[in-house]
Amino acid sequence: DSGVTQTPKHLITATGQRVTLRCSPRSGDLSVYWYQQSLDQGLQFLIHYYNGEERAKGNILERFSAQQFPDLHSELNLSSLELGDSALYFCASSPQPGLAGETQYFGPGTRLLVL
Amino acid sequence: GQSLEQPSEVTAVEGAIVQINCTYQTSGFYGLSWYQQHDGGAPTFLSYNALDGLEETGRFSSFLSRSDSYGYLLLQELQMKDSASYFCAVREGRGSTLGRLYFGRGTQLTVWP
Repeated sequence: DSGVTQTPKHLITATGQRVTLRCSPRSGDLSVYWYQQSLDQGLQFLIHYYNGEERAKGNILERFSAQQFPDLHSELNLSSLELGDSALYFCASSPQPGLAGETQYFGPGTRLLVL
Repeated sequence: GQSLEQPSEVTAVEGAIVQINCTYQTSGFYGLSWYQQHDGGAPTFLSYNALDGLEETGRFSSFLSRSDSYGYLLLQELQMKDSASYFCAVREGRGSTLGRLYFGRGTQLTVWP
């Protein structure tokens, strides 16, 4: 158990819908990262927040948005969902603002299925 | 852009040694990390190399050659529980891109009894 929690564990929805994925980092960690893992694309970095501020963006679609709240939990919002958005979404946390050698602790993931 | 190449799969027997290679192309290189992921599970951190050379952590070692843009993960005394996917990842940092972590496609390791 990494100490990172994600809800829900599974989500089934229809195309065109909007969903929100939630992540609570390890106690004391200020950084939250979001990743998408699909069979054809592997593990893709989406976005990084540190202490409430966006620090880095990866291959995140404009239909997707995220934020980190004052209590440091984070939400990833996915809208106008398409079949291709079906994937496993991980969040990870770390204590520091993205230092090169730090360990990232991954949550158990949210499995999203878009029908 | 960034690219990481690693073999898609490797097989070995219990007790053996296996090496998983990773070559990368990236700008503003800040280090090479390795993660392990069991089926259905979350990635877990194994090791990190920022400088050339070998880092050893128990049965696992990781090597980096920055001049060759190459690294490897060495797993010794293989156990059945080592069957998993192994990902190399590079952290890229240049200006506003600091903090991006790019993963390879992963190497599926199967350990046979």
